[in-house]
Formats: sequence, C-alpha cells, structure tokens
Amino acid sequence: AQSVAQPEDQVNVAEGNPLTVKCTYSVSGNPYLFWYVQYPNRGLQFLLKYITGDNLVKGSYGFEAEFNKSQTSFHLKKPSALVSDSALYFCAVRVQLTGGGNKLTFGTGTQLKVEL
Amino acid sequence: SQTIHQWPATLVQPVGSPLSLECTVEGTSNPNLYWYRQAAGRGLQLLFYSVGIGQISSEVPQNLSASRPQDRQFILSSKKLLLSDSGFYLCAWSGRIYPGGFFGQGTRLTVV
Repeated sequence: AQSVAQPEDQVNVAEGNPLTVKCTYSVSGNPYLFWYVQYPNRGLQFLLKYITGDNLVKGSYGFEAEFNKSQTSFHLKKPSALVSDSALYFCAVRVQLTGGGNKLTFGTGTQLKVEL
Repeated sequence: SQTIHQWPATLVQPVGSPLSLECTVEGTSNPNLYWYRQAAGRGLQLLFYSVGIGQISSEVPQNLSASRPQDRQFILSSKKLLLSDSGFYLCAWSGRIYPGGFFGQGTRLTVV
C-alpha cells in the first residue's frame, strides 16, 4: 500500500532557527508528494508538491522540501522559522483509485511550535 | 481562479437528526471531489470520492452517504446522526492539471 509516515508528533523550534519536518514515503513507482499546513479549525492549505524534476521544491511562505529517492524522504524545511509558522503540517502521497481518479493519503501530522 | 466553498462552518446536531453538508467548487469543470473526516485534530480519513456526476465511491462503511447532483456540487448526508459522527469534515477537489487536492475550510460537526 502507498503511504507516508511522519515520525514526529511535535517539533519545537526557536524563531529565526531553521526548521525541518520529516516525512518518509512508501510507494510503488514514481511518487506524487505533497505538503499541507492546517491552522486551528481551518481547512488544509497547499504548500508545495513534488511530481517530477528538480529534487528541491519551493513552495508558499518560504517553505521548501527535498525529494530524496534513496532515502525515500520528502522533508519540509524553512531556513528561518517564524512564530506564525506554528501549525499542524501534513505530508501526503497521491494514490490511484480503482474506480478511477485518485486520492491523497496523509501522514498523521506534525505539530510545529515556533517559540520566541 | 478555482475556489471551493463549504458550509456551514460549525454545526451542533442532536443524535438521531439528519445531516446535510454542502460543498461547491467554482472555476473548474469535471473535478474529482472528496469528503474527508478529521478526528481528534489529526488523522485525515477519506470517506467518499466522486469522479463525475452521480458517481460516488465509499472508502469506509459508515452511517453517512454522499451525492453529486451537479458537476461541481458534493453533498454529505446522514438520515440519523450518531455521537461517533462528530468531527471535522473537509471537502476537497482535484483535477487533471491540479494533481493534488484543494480543501474547503471545513465543518466542525458536534453531535450531542
């Protein structure tokens, strides 16, 4: 089965420091990978995706992610964290459905807390 | 540009009452549509998806049903709500040139 794993329930970072939120994947074939952010009681906001091409993907709000095929990872990164980055982050992989179309299978989420 | 609308934002319903949550998408045609439920503020579970009008697939057996009466409208329903139906419900769409998913703002359902 195609899946992603987020090994950390929570990540704490000081403002101004670099942040990394980890994600590993298990898929057959070439993966379509995504990162989303969720603020309290809100829907998920798309941050970035990897489909093909450059392994370093740049997204919204200064976030980027590096696709590493040998380590089957797609970690989310930001060079300098802001308090406003504090939120719940989800990694996801696209999965083909037997009825046609596709769906996203999500990791369990990582709570990022950026402190002053 | 594409937008997705989901309402209501919050809903408190008694056990045994019916449910209807609506989701509409603008700015795209023939989208794939999805209903997800998020329990305990974390895990996202796909409930239903639809690749076209009248085409509904269920991922998990449950007390809920879904319908797609129009190309860009997706409805989540129940005839009789259970306490366990409480949660945060998210509608999403994807398309051929947008291979990810774009989410509505969610509905917080509390069954009391």
